[in-house]
Amino acid sequence: DSGVTQTPKHLITATGQRVTLRCSPRSGDLSVYWYQQSLDQGLQFLIQYYNGEERAKGNILERFSAQQFPDLHSELNLSSLELGDSALYFCASSVGDRGVAYEQYFGPGTRLTVT
Amino acid sequence: LAKTTQPISMDSYEGQEVNITCSHNNIATNDYITWYQQFPSQGPRFIIQGYKTKVTNEVASLFIPADRKSSTLSLPRVSLSDTAVYYCLVADPFWGGYNKLIFGAGTRLAVHP
Repeated sequence: DSGVTQTPKHLITATGQRVTLRCSPRSGDLSVYWYQQSLDQGLQFLIQYYNGEERAKGNILERFSAQQFPDLHSELNLSSLELGDSALYFCASSVGDRGVAYEQYFGPGTRLTVT
Repeated sequence: LAKTTQPISMDSYEGQEVNITCSHNNIATNDYITWYQQFPSQGPRFIIQGYKTKVTNEVASLFIPADRKSSTLSLPRVSLSDTAVYYCLVADPFWGGYNKLIFGAGTRLAVHP
């Protein structure tokens, strides 16, 4: 158990809908990272927050947004969903602000299926 | 932009040493190179990280040449439980400020009895 929790575990929704994925980092970790993992794209970095502020941005679509709240939990919002958004979404956390310098602890993931 | 290349798959037998190399061009000069392990239906798990030369911990070694254009993860005496996908993680230097993270495509290691 990494100490990172993600909800929900599974999500099935229709094209055009909007969903929110939630992540609670390990106690004491200030950074939260979001990743998308699909069969054909591997692990894609989406975005990182550190202590409430956006710190790094990857291949995140404009239809996706995220935020980190004062209690350090984070939410990833996916809107106008398309079939291609079906994937496993991972959240990770670390104590520091650089994703390769600090060990990231990954949650169990949320499996999103868009039909 | 940083780019990574890893072998898609490797096969080994129990008790052998396995070396997995990740080639990475144009990575951040001031940052680490990290490796993760992933089992099916689980999130990746940290294995080791280094900046240059050689780093060793209780499960693996990491070799990074002076030019930092590649890194090699070495797993000594693998067992069946080492069957997993292995990813290198580097940072892109061109994002400005804090770096965009780039995972390699992953190497699927199969360990046979």
